[in-house]
Amino acid sequence: DAMVIQNPRYQVTQFGKPVTLSCSQTLNHNVMYWYQQKSSQAPKLLFHYYDKDFNNEADTPDNFQSRRPNTSFCFLDIRSPGLGDAAMYLCATSRMGTSGSTDTQYFGPGTRLTVL
Amino acid sequence: AQKITQTQPGMFVQEKEAVTLDCTYDTSDQSYGLFWYKQPSSGEMIFLIYQGSYDEQNATEGRYSLNFQKARKSANLVISASQLGDSAMYFCAMREPFTGNQFYFGTGTSLTVIP
Repeated sequence: DAMVIQNPRYQVTQFGKPVTLSCSQTLNHNVMYWYQQKSSQAPKLLFHYYDKDFNNEADTPDNFQSRRPNTSFCFLDIRSPGLGDAAMYLCATSRMGTSGSTDTQYFGPGTRLTVL
Repeated sequence: AQKITQTQPGMFVQEKEAVTLDCTYDTSDQSYGLFWYKQPSSGEMIFLIYQGSYDEQNATEGRYSLNFQKARKSANLVISASQLGDSAMYFCAMREPFTGNQFYFGTGTSLTVIP
């Protein structure tokens, strides 16, 4: 089945220790998104890739970086995690045509990050 | 201004009853899409139903239907015959395809189904 996969599902890191979260998709979607979601809140968009074009949200801290080496994979790097970065990180994909579209966004199961 | 407003932080419904979750949206675009997602305690966001701004019929998917009132800018989710497994957070979202790829999410409604 076509899907969005996130690894690991649970990640524990230490304060200040870099961590990388990964996302892969078999949907062949050209747009990939990273969201941060804290408890009882809506997902907050960090950035997204439209093909290879990287789009950063204005309020995303520099501590968060992303890489998309190919269509299928996208990584979220947190350079120096703080206690406030503990959250669920959701990867999502969608298809975007050149004429604009309202295609659905599909999510992976998320990675729950704990910072000690 | 908020793009998506969900005014019900928490809702309760008796098993087998129907429930309506409210969503209003704000856009000046003519073309947009409206979505509902379910997020159980496991954390995964599950796509439920989609309504395009040009769709004249209300969307339905099994027990889910979307009550789309364009003039009122509302897109309420109706769940019929509630089941215990429907207990979850529900998010309404909107996409404006010609103003970027971003999805705007509401703050969510926590639904609890009572046996």
